[in-house]
Amino acid sequence: DAGVIQSPRHEVTEMGQEVTLRCKPISGHNSLFWYRQTMMRGLELLIYFNNNVPIDDSGMPEDRFSAKMPNASFSTLKIQPSEPRDSAVYFCASGRRLGNTGELFFGEGSRLTVL
Amino acid sequence: GQQVMQIPQYQHVQEGEDFTTYCNSSTTLSNIQWYKQRPGGHPVFLIQLVKSGEVKKQKRLTFQFGEAKKNSSLHITATQTTDVGTYFCALGGYNKLIFGAGTRLAVHP
Repeated sequence: DAGVIQSPRHEVTEMGQEVTLRCKPISGHNSLFWYRQTMMRGLELLIYFNNNVPIDDSGMPEDRFSAKMPNASFSTLKIQPSEPRDSAVYFCASGRRLGNTGELFFGEGSRLTVL
Repeated sequence: GQQVMQIPQYQHVQEGEDFTTYCNSSTTLSNIQWYKQRPGGHPVFLIQLVKSGEVKKQKRLTFQFGEAKKNSSLHITATQTTDVGTYFCALGGYNKLIFGAGTRLAVHP
C-alpha cells in the first residue's frame, strides 16, 4: 500500500514566484493535514480537511497561502507570491480519524527554499 | 488555545543510558499521541494514549499518560544508536493534531 505521496521533494525558487505543493493521501483516509516545519517554529499545523472540506485554516500564515482539496485523492498548497521566510519543509499527512483520535501518516515532505 | 510544553528540548546520552521526555498541557487532554522523526525524515506514529494513568510498552519504550490527563512521558531504556531522532508528543483536538516542540535525542556510541 503506497503511503502519502508528496511532490516535489525539493523546490528552489526565487522570491515572488508562485509555488504549488502537491499531496496524494492514502486511499480511504478521510482527513488531510498540511504542516510546515522549521527549526524556529517546529511543526505548525497550517490547515486540515475532513472529507475534502477545509475545517480549520487558522494556521495559514497569511493570504499568500491557499490550500485546496478538489477530491479525496488530491490536495494542493499554494504560495503566491513566495518569500524567503516561507523556506521550510512542508508535510502533508492523512488519517482515518474519527473525532479526535486516529494516527496520522506523513509524506516525506517538500523542502522549499525561496531565494 | 491549547498549549503544550515538551522538555527537555535536547538531550544527548551514552549508548546504554536511559532517556525520558515529558509533555505537559495547560488543559485536560482527551488523548495524546507520540511520534518519532529521524534526522532528514518525516514524523512516524508510535502510539496513542487515551485512558487516565495508562501505561503502554513497546519493547524498550514505555509511554505513560498522567492520572489527570494533563501530562505524558516517553521513557527509553538502554538507548541504542537507532533511537536517534526527535520525539514529539501531539495533542488530539477534534479532528486536528497539535505537535509539541519535540525532544531531540543524540546517542553517542
